[in-house]
Amino acid sequence: DSGVTQTPKHLITATGQRVTLRCSPRSGDLSVYWYQQSLDQGLQFLIQYYNGEERAKGNILERFSAQQFPDLHSELNLSSLELGDSALYFCASSGPGGGTPDTQYFGPGTRLTVL
Amino acid sequence: AQKITQTQPGMFVQEKEAVTLDCTYDTSDPSYGLFWYKQPSSGEMIFLIYQGSYDQQNATEGRYSLNFQKARKSANLVISASQLGDSAMYFCAMRESYDKIIFGKGTRLHILP
Repeated sequence: DSGVTQTPKHLITATGQRVTLRCSPRSGDLSVYWYQQSLDQGLQFLIQYYNGEERAKGNILERFSAQQFPDLHSELNLSSLELGDSALYFCASSGPGGGTPDTQYFGPGTRLTVL
Repeated sequence: AQKITQTQPGMFVQEKEAVTLDCTYDTSDPSYGLFWYKQPSSGEMIFLIYQGSYDQQNATEGRYSLNFQKARKSANLVISASQLGDSAMYFCAMRESYDKIIFGKGTRLHILP
């Protein structure tokens, strides 16, 4: 158990809908990262937050947005969903929460299925 | 150009044998970190081992070691005495600027009884 929690574990929705994925980082970690893992694109970095501020952006679509709240949990919002958005979405955290420095610890992921 | 290259899409290894998973990387940043993660069929991403670019010694964590050859830009994962539970997808990854991590495409390892 990495200490990173993600909810929900599974999400099934329809095209055009909007969903919110939630992540709680390890206790003490200030950085949260979001990744998308799909069969054709592999593991893609989406966005990083550090202590509430956006720090780095990757291949995140304009339909997607994220934020990190004062209690350091983060949410990834996906809107106008398309079939191609079906993927496993990971949250990871890093920081002074212990373990190996500079390492990102991953949550169990949220499997999103868009029908 | 790919920054992380894993040339072995799949490998089959007999139980108890040692395994080497290949990884080469490309960066011009003098400060970087290299990681290996394991993803079993259940889907979670499990951190295995880390090597910093300035580390003089190869990293080791139990049965895992990282064969770091800086001049060749190589960071191979070695698993000693493989076990059935080692069957999984293995990803090599690199951190450059900030904390963004770039992942390779992975190697699927099958351990045969």
